[in-house]
Amino acid sequence: GAGVSQTPSNKVTEKGKYVELRCDPISGHTALYWYRQSLGQGPEFLIYFQGTGAADDSGLPNDRFFAVRPEGSVSTLKIQRTERGDSAVYLCASSADRPDEQFFGPGTRLTVL
Amino acid sequence: AQTVTQSQPEMSVQEAETVTLSCTYDTSESDYYLFWYKQPPSRQMILVIRQEAYKQQNATENRFSVNFQKAAKSFSLKISDSQLGDAAMYFCAYRRGNFGNEKLTFGTGTRLTIIP
Repeated sequence: GAGVSQTPSNKVTEKGKYVELRCDPISGHTALYWYRQSLGQGPEFLIYFQGTGAADDSGLPNDRFFAVRPEGSVSTLKIQRTERGDSAVYLCASSADRPDEQFFGPGTRLTVL
Repeated sequence: AQTVTQSQPEMSVQEAETVTLSCTYDTSESDYYLFWYKQPPSRQMILVIRQEAYKQQNATENRFSVNFQKAAKSFSLKISDSQLGDAAMYFCAYRRGNFGNEKLTFGTGTRLTIIP
């Protein structure tokens, strides 16, 4: 039982390729967040889902980044035409309905060569 | 926009001693939450302690306590009786208050080393 899981743990890709990163939140958690953590930095917010809809996508850096959560559970972060600057650890977190603790997954380390 | 500043990139402490990690923040909100998260090499962020801004009493969790100075916008973490397992990156984080779920804004972190 589980906590937040993320797959893959590590992803290496070439510049220009498309990648998908998956997040499985804690069962029953309605809120889901994506953060990006570059080397030596704190996590930076990307997008937040409440249920199936994106409640706040103000952190997405550009239109190459997109995320979905079609059934209000699993979420996928999609990055098109990857660039070397996209290399980072992508963290997912989930929380229950009322404002509460965000539980984090172990992250996906993305390396763009 | 809210900002969180951690001015100590690295700290070290002898095992069993006490260490204090510093954090300052900037916000125009009156209702907010502050957190300290621990990130070991496994990358998983773990909540250490949290403080509601409307509470004057400083939060404590076993060996971890905070010194919350709202007027100074300061939120330091004190770790007592440091243990080897405390070695990790520590991040201070801010969340706007009770408007439903909200994003976290993090500082740049402090790497804590425990000296045996």
